[in-house]
Amino acid sequence: ILNVEQSPQSLHVQEGDSTNFTCSFPSSNFYALHWYRWETAKSPEALFVMTLNGDEKKKGRISATLNTKEGYSYLYIKGSQPEDSATYLCALNYGGSQGNLIFGKGTKLSVKP
Amino acid sequence: GAGVSQSPSNKVTEKGKDVELRCDPISGHTALYWYRQSLGQGLEFLIYFQGNSAPDKSGLPSDRFSAERTGGSVSTLTIQRTQQEDSAVYLCASSYSRSGLVVQHFGDGTRLSIL
Repeated sequence: ILNVEQSPQSLHVQEGDSTNFTCSFPSSNFYALHWYRWETAKSPEALFVMTLNGDEKKKGRISATLNTKEGYSYLYIKGSQPEDSATYLCALNYGGSQGNLIFGKGTKLSVKP
Repeated sequence: GAGVSQSPSNKVTEKGKDVELRCDPISGHTALYWYRQSLGQGLEFLIYFQGNSAPDKSGLPSDRFSAERTGGSVSTLTIQRTQQEDSAVYLCASSYSRSGLVVQHFGDGTRLSIL
């Protein structure tokens, strides 16, 4: 059974802190990795789709890196703001172009003003 | 609307009843997915529709679960004889193709509570 692990499960930081969390996955049959941001009572919102080993993506204060050889991706948030509070999900596409997404359980981030 | 629309947003029902959840995908999106998130769990794939192809039902947890997609657009997820373990947030997503590189656009979900 393919498993996508995210850590930590939850994180509490102060406004202005920078933070990062991890998504780990089996490196075999890797095709693509997705990051989503899910605010309470809203729909998950796509952040990044990453495919290449060494890929780095950036969107404002949020960035992500990918290591397909060792099977992990990091998501970084620089200068956290209260509006960054959400659950961050990573999802692995392992079956090639037609595969399904396997989601991790998410990291729940709370940013205190 | 421009996004994926799901209804109802919340549903509370008694154990043993049947429920129907509706998803209206983004216009033009041929791929439609159903997921659920139970308490403390990750998003779990349930079923996938692509155009006129046979759906991928590999994620449905039991034969009490079924889904239809009529006219290649609106989809209904039906749960018969609901059990307490069916309580979860049910999310629908659509995309313009099934490619693993394509972003899935999610609805706000239906929060289902079985008493």
